[in-house]
Amino acid sequence: GQNIDQPTEMTATEGAIVQINCTYQTSGFNGLFWYQQHAGEAPTFLSYNVLDGLEEKGRFSSFLSRSKGYSYLLLKELQMKDSASYLCAVMDSNYQLIWGAGTKLIIKP
Amino acid sequence: IAGITQAPTSQILAAGRRMTLRCTQDMRHNAMYWYRQDLGLGLRLIHYSNTAGTTGKGEVPDGYSVSRANTDDFPLTLASAVPSQTSVYFCASSDSTGTYNEQFFGPGTRLTVL
Repeated sequence: GQNIDQPTEMTATEGAIVQINCTYQTSGFNGLFWYQQHAGEAPTFLSYNVLDGLEEKGRFSSFLSRSKGYSYLLLKELQMKDSASYLCAVMDSNYQLIWGAGTKLIIKP
Repeated sequence: IAGITQAPTSQILAAGRRMTLRCTQDMRHNAMYWYRQDLGLGLRLIHYSNTAGTTGKGEVPDGYSVSRANTDDFPLTLASAVPSQTSVYFCASSDSTGTYNEQFFGPGTRLTVL
């Protein structure tokens, strides 16, 4: 079967750095996406990785290792507005997105 | 209209009733999707359409139907609602169906079936 695993919840302090991990087992791989979802709102796109390595976009970076079936999202200089759920999704061999359940990130002052 | 709109925002429905959730996008995207989101579970694909006139089944299609008569609209119909269909429903669209497939989501419809 296909499976995406990420921690259910994480807590971090404002101004700090946090790393959210995602491991996956899917039938085929055509890229990995990270989305942000604030409570009661729609998911919004953060990043896309298809090759191994680190993609940096401002305070957010995303890393991929295809051989290990592993990705992480790194958030630096945390702000209160970063409190949200972070969704990991993998595009499988049928070009369909398989979604993890999401990691709820709580930021404390 | 800017982006994707969904209607209604929320709905309480009696079991056995028929219900259509509406979704409209103005980005001229080829592909559209319907997901449901339940607590503790990831988004699950119900149905999708890669282009106007075509539709396909996702992971959890039973009890749902869709149509794609034109590029902009992608309604989702529950023929006879059951309590297990209580969920938040998101419509999404994307410009491509290839590997780089950034999906844009509507605000969601919160549906409760009693």
